[in-house]
Amino acid sequence: AQKITQTQPGMFVQEKEAVTLDCTYDTSDQSYGLFWYKQPSSGEMIFLIYQGSYDEQNATEGRYSLNFQKARKSANLVISASQLGDSAMYFCAMREGLITGGGNKLTFGTGTQLKVEL
Amino acid sequence: DGGITQSPKYLFRKEGQNVTLSCEQNLNHDAMYWYRQDPGQGLRLIYYSQIVNDFQKGDIAEGYSVSREKKESFPLTVTSAQKNPTAFYLCASTPRGTGGQVEHFGDGTRLSIL
Repeated sequence: AQKITQTQPGMFVQEKEAVTLDCTYDTSDQSYGLFWYKQPSSGEMIFLIYQGSYDEQNATEGRYSLNFQKARKSANLVISASQLGDSAMYFCAMREGLITGGGNKLTFGTGTQLKVEL
Repeated sequence: DGGITQSPKYLFRKEGQNVTLSCEQNLNHDAMYWYRQDPGQGLRLIYYSQIVNDFQKGDIAEGYSVSREKKESFPLTVTSAQKNPTAFYLCASTPRGTGGQVEHFGDGTRLSIL
């Protein structure tokens, strides 16, 4: 079974509108972390936002917010007031079994290509 | 500024040839990772290392090898056994932490077959 599922291969949004990118995950761990990354056409991976499984409040970072619904195992990314520069590939990722010492690997979804239009 | 440096940016491999991709970090991170990305796809883990002189296979390790002789360096060798090496390769690192630590990525190496 896929650990991270992103069901939207491509999305279009008009400039200044909000957009939601879907992500569902599958884990039996109680302690895990969820990440969103942005990858422009140049290829670099840019960290956007993080949500821990025990965080009670949804994470927010500027125009990015994470709609975390633990019971449904979903971690959707909401981008408010879209800008042309938001056009990129967006990846959801999960780190399971959070431990001290670091090093647990990330599992990535297949991504959603977002295109912001005028 | 601290960061991760991958080189070269573009690399071409001949049939039967081994090539090595460089990854250097000056972030003092303990863990380092190699990912492969095929067009329109997500990242798949090749190898990772949590400490010097130790590394583990990821999901697609066949045809690849790594070493971790220094904390700062985690080179990846694409061997001739890897029959479909054309892809974008990303190196990443993380500090020690409780799991919420962010992976820092290099700018990647694009490998193609001649």
